[in-house]
Amino acid sequence: GQNIDQPTEMTATEGAIVQINCTYQTSGFNGLFWYQQHAGEAPTFLSYNVLDGLEEKGRFSSFLSRSKGYSYLLLKELQMKDSASYLCAVRDSNYQLIWGAGTKLIIKP
Amino acid sequence: DVKVTQSSRYLVKRTGEKVFLECVQDMDHENMFWYRQDPGLGLRLIYFSYDVKMKEKGDIPEGYSVSREKKERFSLILESASTNQTSMYLCASSHDREVSPLHFGNGTRLTVT
Repeated sequence: GQNIDQPTEMTATEGAIVQINCTYQTSGFNGLFWYQQHAGEAPTFLSYNVLDGLEEKGRFSSFLSRSKGYSYLLLKELQMKDSASYLCAVRDSNYQLIWGAGTKLIIKP
Repeated sequence: DVKVTQSSRYLVKRTGEKVFLECVQDMDHENMFWYRQDPGLGLRLIYFSYDVKMKEKGDIPEGYSVSREKKERFSLILESASTNQTSMYLCASSHDREVSPLHFGNGTRLTVT
């Protein structure tokens, strides 16, 4: 079966750096997405990786290793507003999105 | 910016009622999707549509149907609501199937009593 694994919950301190990991086993690979979802709100798109390597976008970066079935989302200079759930999703060979259950990130002052 | 609008943020319905959830997008996207989101589970795809009047079953279509009479509107129908359909329902759209991200509506939290 297809599977996306990410930690259920993480805690970090304001101003610090946090890395949220995502591992996947899917039928084929056509890209990996990261979304941010604040409580009670819609998921919003953060990043897209289809080739190996690091994509940087301001305080957020996303890394992909297709050979390892692994990605991470790196958040720098954490702010209280970064408290949210972070969802990892992979597009499989049929271009269907397979979703992880999400990582709830708690930021402490 | 893409806007995906779901008609209700909160709904409370009784068991056995027929429930309509409406979704409208304003970016002329071909692709539209309905998901449900439950605690501890990833988003689960109910139905999707790649064109007007076209629909395809997702992973959990049982107890649901959809309608896409116009490109911008995708409706989810619960034929006879049951308590296990209490959930957050998210509508999304995308420009293409290959590389575009999904754009989500704000969700409808449905409670079936």
